[in-house]
Amino acid sequence: EAEVAQSPRYKITEKSQAVAFWCDPISGHATLYWYRQILGQGPELLVQFQDESVVDDSQLPKDRFSAERLKGVDSTLKIQPAELGDSAMYLCASSLDRTYQETQYFGPGTRLLVL
Amino acid sequence: AQTVTQSQPEMSVQEAETVTLSCTYDTSESDYYLFWYKQPPSRQMILVIRQEAYKQQNATENRFSVNFQKAAKSFSLKISDSQLGDAAMYFCAYYDYKLSFGAGTTVTVRA
Repeated sequence: EAEVAQSPRYKITEKSQAVAFWCDPISGHATLYWYRQILGQGPELLVQFQDESVVDDSQLPKDRFSAERLKGVDSTLKIQPAELGDSAMYLCASSLDRTYQETQYFGPGTRLLVL
Repeated sequence: AQTVTQSQPEMSVQEAETVTLSCTYDTSESDYYLFWYKQPPSRQMILVIRQEAYKQQNATENRFSVNFQKAAKSFSLKISDSQLGDAAMYFCAYYDYKLSFGAGTTVTVRA
């Protein structure tokens, strides 16, 4: 069964350093999502792509976070510089398209610890 | 922003017994979707069940069923015949143009 792939699974960094996370959605899925999940809370949407275009980045801290999906397939989320409060799980999900009916499939996540 | 509230941080259930998880949400929309997702420890989140708001019939998936009360904006999940593999964090989520999650309920299953 096809799955969403993410790497790395774990990342430890020092504050003020740059970090990057990678996501490869299920083949054929046009919509890709990045979520942040703080320990003990539900995921919060950071950015949503439809193919290579951003359709929602209202919750993305744009002064330090950036996301791209250049060819409309895999995606990279970057944080520069990292802050202590960025420690969280970063989840990637994909769906066939952005309509109601489509289920979002989640990857295993990247757990980030900023020291 | 839509608000999803899960009032039970933790629930414990004996194996083979039934447990019900609560969820309420706030919306002014009439057409939307509701989901329950399961997140096992150190494993990825998977969809358990979904409900279309325009459907009155409650959704069922094997041992998982929901009680959808649209007027009360309530969407509870019932896990019947609980198994050890059901132990996980369960998230209720609301979708109209994006998914909004509740804070989650941790379910432990006692052998």
